[in-house]
Amino acid sequence: EVHLVESGGGLVQPGGSLRLSCTASRFTFSNYAMSWVRQAPGKGLEWVSSISGSGGSTYYADSVKGRFTISRDNSKNTLYLQMTGLRAEDTALYYCAKGWGWFDSWGQGTLLTVSS
Amino acid sequence: EIVLMQSPGTLSLSPGERATLSCRASQSVSSSNLAWYQQKPGQAPRLLIYGASSRSTGIPDRFSGSGSGTDFTLTISRLEPEDFAVYYCQQYGGSPWTFGQGTKVEIK
Repeated sequence: EVHLVESGGGLVQPGGSLRLSCTASRFTFSNYAMSWVRQAPGKGLEWVSSISGSGGSTYYADSVKGRFTISRDNSKNTLYLQMTGLRAEDTALYYCAKGWGWFDSWGQGTLLTVSS
Repeated sequence: EIVLMQSPGTLSLSPGERATLSCRASQSVSSSNLAWYQQKPGQAPRLLIYGASSRSTGIPDRFSGSGSGTDFTLTISRLEPEDFAVYYCQQYGGSPWTFGQGTKVEIK
């Protein structure tokens, strides 16, 4: 069974930066696109970004374009989300998910809080 | 951006009853690129349906998806106690990919 574990969340001041990580196991990581989906407290789901298996293609929601960068290290089975220029509205539980388009496996999420 | 509207917001039903959840798109979703997810409190979402009607691995056959264009439906034929949760539709046929606001299925 696919296993995804996110880390790196925390409390950051507005304008700050943070990098989230997602460690994958129990599947051939490099063969699959990966994505980040977030959920603000008590709210619905919002797709954030996706990256192809090779890392050659990336895709971003308009709300994070130019501020967030998705990347991966296939030698480490790890997905990243580098976040800069953080805003209060970025506060959410960030899920790592396997897939491009639809998401067939999800981690348990890491919480980012943007507040002064 | 394709906006997905889910209805009803809350569905109150008893175990054993049939649940019918609607997802209506603001414009046609190409190639029926629509998925459904289930989320229980404190848990990550779980993929139920992709391609509008294909069940994900391990999903019981009481869950079925249908529809095309702008109107999609998730049907749970007979509700089990573990099915009470929030359900989200998501389209990946247009840019950006978007989710509906969710339908909560609660025990009556």
